[in-house]
Amino acid sequence: AQSVTQPDIHITVSEGASLELRCNYSYGATPYLFWYVQSPGQGLQLLLKYFSGDTLVQGIKGFEAEFKRSQSSFNLRKPSVHWSDAAEYFCAVGAFTNFGNEKLTFGTGTRLTIIP
Amino acid sequence: NAGVTQTPKFQVLKTGQSMTLQCAQDMNHEYMSWYRQDPGMGLRLIHYSVGAGITDQGEVPNGYNVSRSTTEDFPLRLLSAAPSQTSVYFCASSYSSVLDFGANVLTFGAGSRLTVL
Repeated sequence: AQSVTQPDIHITVSEGASLELRCNYSYGATPYLFWYVQSPGQGLQLLLKYFSGDTLVQGIKGFEAEFKRSQSSFNLRKPSVHWSDAAEYFCAVGAFTNFGNEKLTFGTGTRLTIIP
Repeated sequence: NAGVTQTPKFQVLKTGQSMTLQCAQDMNHEYMSWYRQDPGMGLRLIHYSVGAGITDQGEVPNGYNVSRSTTEDFPLRLLSAAPSQTSVYFCASSYSSVLDFGANVLTFGAGSRLTVL
């Protein structure tokens, strides 16, 4: 069974500073990996996804993530954060079940606070 | 506006009461799902559907029923509410599997906050 670990519950970053959010996954085969963002009172929005190919994936809002198979990681990065990036971020791993249906497993989330 | 619409946004129930959380999408999406979000636990899948007339259980289905009589609607029924069902519920939809290559993405509703006393 797949699983996702986001080791940081809460991160505080100064506006303009760089950001890295950690995500580690457990899955036997090549994983399908996702990062979602949830603004307060809203549903989740897809930032980026990795299926195969180039291990550095570009997403929306200036975010990128790097897939590292040797470390079972899929960390999210942004070179310079903006106050509007304050939100909760979820990493997810996808897989097909034995019956051919999809299953997404979400991490517990990392809450990002931006200080002026 | 196209998207996933959830009603109600807020609801307070007493233990033992029943209710239905509504979810509707106007994007002609085949896949629909219900998640619950609890502090420190991320999102957990309750039930999902891959098309009208087809539903299946997710990770935490106990205490919930679903049906999918139309492509557009996917209501979630709480049969006898319990305090453990206090949570924020999200409905999501996608055209097909989000594990398919291409631009297919999971679209979430804004959520329904349920409190069971």
